[in-house]
This record gives sequence, C-alpha cells and structure tokens, in this order.
Amino acid sequence: NAGVTQTPKFRVLKTGQSMTLLCAQDMNHEYMYWYRQDPGMGLRLIHYSVGEGTTAKGEVPDGYNVSRLKKQNFLLGLESAAPSQTSVYFCASSYGYTGVQETQYFGPGTRLLVL
Amino acid sequence: RKEVEQDPGPFNVPEGATVAFNCTYSNSASQSFFWYRQDCRKEPKLLMSVYSSGNEDGRFTAQLNRASQYISLLIRDSKLSDSATYLCVSWGGGADGLTFGKGTHLIIQP
Repeated sequence: NAGVTQTPKFRVLKTGQSMTLLCAQDMNHEYMYWYRQDPGMGLRLIHYSVGEGTTAKGEVPDGYNVSRLKKQNFLLGLESAAPSQTSVYFCASSYGYTGVQETQYFGPGTRLLVL
Repeated sequence: RKEVEQDPGPFNVPEGATVAFNCTYSNSASQSFFWYRQDCRKEPKLLMSVYSSGNEDGRFTAQLNRASQYISLLIRDSKLSDSATYLCVSWGGGADGLTFGKGTHLIIQP
C-alpha cells in the first residue's frame, strides 16, 4: 500500500495563478483532510471531507476550494494564489472519527511558494 | 477556539537521559489524545495514543490528567533517533478532526 500520496511535491507560483493539489489514499478511508503548516503556527485545518461527494470548511478555508469526487481522492484548489498561501500543505486521511479510529495518516506534503 | 499549548523548546538532552514534555488543552470536552512525531521536513506520524489510565510503549510513556487538562510524554533512555518535533494532539469529538499543538522540538545530543 502506498498510503497517502500527494502531487506535486513542490511548486512555485506567481501571485494570481491557480493550481490544484492532489491527494490520493489507498486505505479505503472515509475521512480526508487538508492542512497547512506554517512556522510557529502548527497544523491548521483548511477543509475536510467525511465521504465521497461531501466537503466542509475547517479553521482557515478562505482562498481555497476542495472537491471529493472519488472516495480515494481529495483535491485542494487555489483559484488566485497569494503570497500568504506560501506554506507546506499536508493531506491526511482516517477511517472514522470515533476514539482511536481518529488516527490520521499523513501524506508527505506539498511545499508551495507564491511569489 | 479549541487550543492545545506546548512548550516549543528546543529541549537539548544528552543521549541516554530521560525527558518529559507536557501540553495543556482548553477544550474540556476533548475525547481522545495523541502524540505525533514529526521529523524535519517530513509529515507527522502517530507516536502513540493517550489513554486515561496511562499507557506505555517501549521507552515511551503517555499520561492524561483530565482534572488539570494536561497530557504528558516521557521518553526514557533517549536515543539520537528520538530527535524530532513532538506534536500534542486532541480530538473534540467532531468530524472536523484533530487539534494540533505547535510542537516541542527535541534534540538528543551524543
């Protein structure tokens, strides 16, 4: 099993450009999450999904959109990138949200630099 | 707002020593707690869950004090490979996942 994979690993964008980050998991997990991690800020939840076709906002959703058309994939879109979106983006997935099943498995991250 | 607070460190500890971290959480309704480990420029990985009765996994011991709302992690006989950032994490019971602390940076020195 590959676990959770993310594409791309690194990207440089100019302000105003758009891009989509892809997350894929092969563990048949229902729940998927997108986080960003900035120095001194810890991991912050952007959006999450509790199943195919569903999405919900997390702590810092502004400037991002997501889609979960297939159970195994969770896409994060930036329609008009801003320098404030320079960050490391982590995708995660979990089987459920009860007790120890809340253990999340993370992808390797995508480093995004917006100039 | 739900928060998990940790001492960012760094903790500089000689190899073989015992080191302990604490973290505090603000959401008294939090139901589950975890310690994750994150190596430099890598993704977080689950180190261990934290149970009310306390639990041990090899050299690692986790404790939960609900009355004082803090969680602890004890590492015995520390190894160079234990150098990492340790994230304290709580789950409030909702579908929106986990609340992460900012992490405690541990450096084990030879």
